[in-house]
Amino acid sequence: GQQLNQSPQSMFIQEGEDVSMNCTSSSIFNTWLWYKQDPGEGPVLLIALYKAGELTSNGRLTAQFGITRKDSFLNISASIPSDVGIYFCAGSYNTNAGKSTFGDGTTLTVKP
Amino acid sequence: GAVVSQHPSRVICKSGTSVKIECRSLDFQATTMFWYRQFPKQSLMLMATSNEGSKATYEQGVEKDKFLINHASLTLSTLTVTSAHPEDSSFYICSASQMADTQYFGPGTRLTVL
Repeated sequence: GQQLNQSPQSMFIQEGEDVSMNCTSSSIFNTWLWYKQDPGEGPVLLIALYKAGELTSNGRLTAQFGITRKDSFLNISASIPSDVGIYFCAGSYNTNAGKSTFGDGTTLTVKP
Repeated sequence: GAVVSQHPSRVICKSGTSVKIECRSLDFQATTMFWYRQFPKQSLMLMATSNEGSKATYEQGVEKDKFLINHASLTLSTLTVTSAHPEDSSFYICSASQMADTQYFGPGTRLTVL
């Protein structure tokens, strides 16, 4: 089946620093999604990307749908303590019954 | 918009009992709902996909008689863990999809089987 490689696995940064994480796939996707999960909570959708090359921002977050349709990145600018959590990428292909393939997550720790 | 609720948020039960978890899309009609299981420090593991009015499609290795899924309406899906055992203890999360490929997640249910 399709597999996603999400990196890095974890990041430890100082407050105010920028963050970048990415996902790559061996297969193409039609949709890339980025989620954030806080402990004991369900994932929350941050950004949805539906078109190759698309670059979308949501506040301090920016994500891009790679032109090859096999990768995506998420950037967080000027990190703050509440950015702490696990970030998941997810890719889906519209003939797969709406199912998404999830990365293993990037755990972000922000030191004040 | 796109709010999904789950109930209960936490449940503790005795081994051998059954537990029902509800998943509701509050402000949209979900054509598809998904059920996931998540172990500590791991990613989401898809258990099954359900569409309103039809039988759920289970992922390989997931026992359909153990994890009963009912998708009664476009806003409600239920997961029943039958004859629960301690190894079924986990964090169960549902998601709902209206637009193809975009899933909105519920807050999760922490199940502890004693």
